[in-house]
Amino acid sequence: DVKVTQSSRYLVKRTGEKVFLECVQDMDHENMFWYRQDPGLGLRLIYFSYDVKMKEKGDIPEGYSVSREKKERFSLILESASTNQTSMYLCASSLGVGNEQFFGPGTRLTVL
Amino acid sequence: QQPVQSPQAVILREGEDAVINCSSSKALYSVHWYRQKHGEAPVFLMILLKGGEQKGHDKISASFNEKKQQSSLYLTASQLSYSGTYFCGTEIWRGTASKLTFGTGTRLQVTL
Repeated sequence: DVKVTQSSRYLVKRTGEKVFLECVQDMDHENMFWYRQDPGLGLRLIYFSYDVKMKEKGDIPEGYSVSREKKERFSLILESASTNQTSMYLCASSLGVGNEQFFGPGTRLTVL
Repeated sequence: QQPVQSPQAVILREGEDAVINCSSSKALYSVHWYRQKHGEAPVFLMILLKGGEQKGHDKISASFNEKKQQSSLYLTASQLSYSGTYFCGTEIWRGTASKLTFGTGTRLQVTL
């Protein structure tokens, strides 16, 4: 079975802190994605990566950056966390276009 | 731009049928459907590739009208286990990678 894991299920940070969210997949998938999920807004794409060191902005990249140094790992970075970044963050991976995405369990981030 | 899903919410009695619609203003490579139960990650249901195909999975099926960039998810003889939020994701091929954009979701509740 494909497994996508995220480093934390719950995280509480303070405004201004630098935050790292880690995602690891074990199926050699080319593509990896970061979404945030807020009530009534669905899943919104923050960034995605189609190869090691390759990344593209999604629909809401402001305030975020990403890193993909190894194929299996995709990190989301909040350079200076703000309260409006309090949300559920979901990581996903897939083989590529026309293939399903497999989601991790999510990280609920609270910024105080 | 997120695809438009309708209805936003629906309540069914067990055994009744439902249709969830998804429309996009962009030319699509494929449409994905996912279901998310409360507190869990989204789970893949099916993909429809361009070409107007229709797919089925047990009592859940879907269609994709490529000309209209619309997809519909059909749930027949609903079961309690069908409860959850359904998301469509519209996939666009960008040359180097594909991008999946999710709708805001349709909350489905099946009651006895």
